[in-house]
Amino acid sequence: DAMVIQNPRYQVTQFGKPVTLSCSQTLNHNVMYWYQQKSSQAPKLLFHYYDKDFNNEADTPDNFQSRRPNTSFCFLDIRSPGLGDAAMYLCATSREGTGTDEQYFGPGTRLTVT
Amino acid sequence: QKEVEQNSGPLSVPEGAIASLNCTYSDRGSQSFFWYRQYSGKSPELIMFIYSNGDKEDGRFTAQLNKASQYVSLLIRDSQPSDSATYLCAVKGGYQKVTFGTGTKLQVIP
Repeated sequence: DAMVIQNPRYQVTQFGKPVTLSCSQTLNHNVMYWYQQKSSQAPKLLFHYYDKDFNNEADTPDNFQSRRPNTSFCFLDIRSPGLGDAAMYLCATSREGTGTDEQYFGPGTRLTVT
Repeated sequence: QKEVEQNSGPLSVPEGAIASLNCTYSDRGSQSFFWYRQYSGKSPELIMFIYSNGDKEDGRFTAQLNKASQYVSLLIRDSQPSDSATYLCAVKGGYQKVTFGTGTKLQVIP
C-alpha cells in the first residue's frame, strides 16, 4: 500500500545532542512537509519541499534544518535540541498540479529531550 | 487574528446524533479545505476535502463550504463512540502552505 513512513516512531535525545528524523513516501508526491505538534495545539508548519525547492517558514528556528535527497525521502535535523523541542514531529505529503492536493500524514515521531 | 478558527470544545453528542463542527478562516484566497480526525497520540487522518462551494458527502460525513462567508463545516451523522477524537480544520492558501486550526474535541456519549 502507498504510504508515508516515519522513523523512528519514538526518539529520546539529550539536551544539545543532534538528532535526525526521517520520512519516506511511496505515493510519488512532489511536496513533502514537516510539522511540529505539541500537546493540544495545532500542527505547526516548519518547512516544506516542492520538488527540490525548499520553503522555510519565517518563524522556524535555525536549529531546525531539512534535507530532501530524492523524491521519496526527507529528513528533519535538529542541531541542538532544547527541552522546548519535545513534541510530535509529523511528515506529510501532497501532489500539487493535478487538481487534487490533499495532504497525507505519516504516523509521526514522538521526540523526548532529556 | 487567528488564520483558522475552531471552537475547542469539547462538543458532546449522544450516540446516533448528528455532530456539527465549524471552522472559519481569514484568507479569502484559500482554495482547498480539509478535515482531519486525530486520536490522542496519533497523527491526523484525512477524512474529507472540499474545493467548491456547497456540500460534499462521503458516507456519514458531509463537508460544507461557503467561501463568501469564509466558513467550512463538517457534519457527522449517526455519531458513534469511535468518532470521539479531535477534528482539525485545515486550509490551503498560496505556496502550498496549509494552516491548521487548533481542533474541536468531539465526545460521543454511548
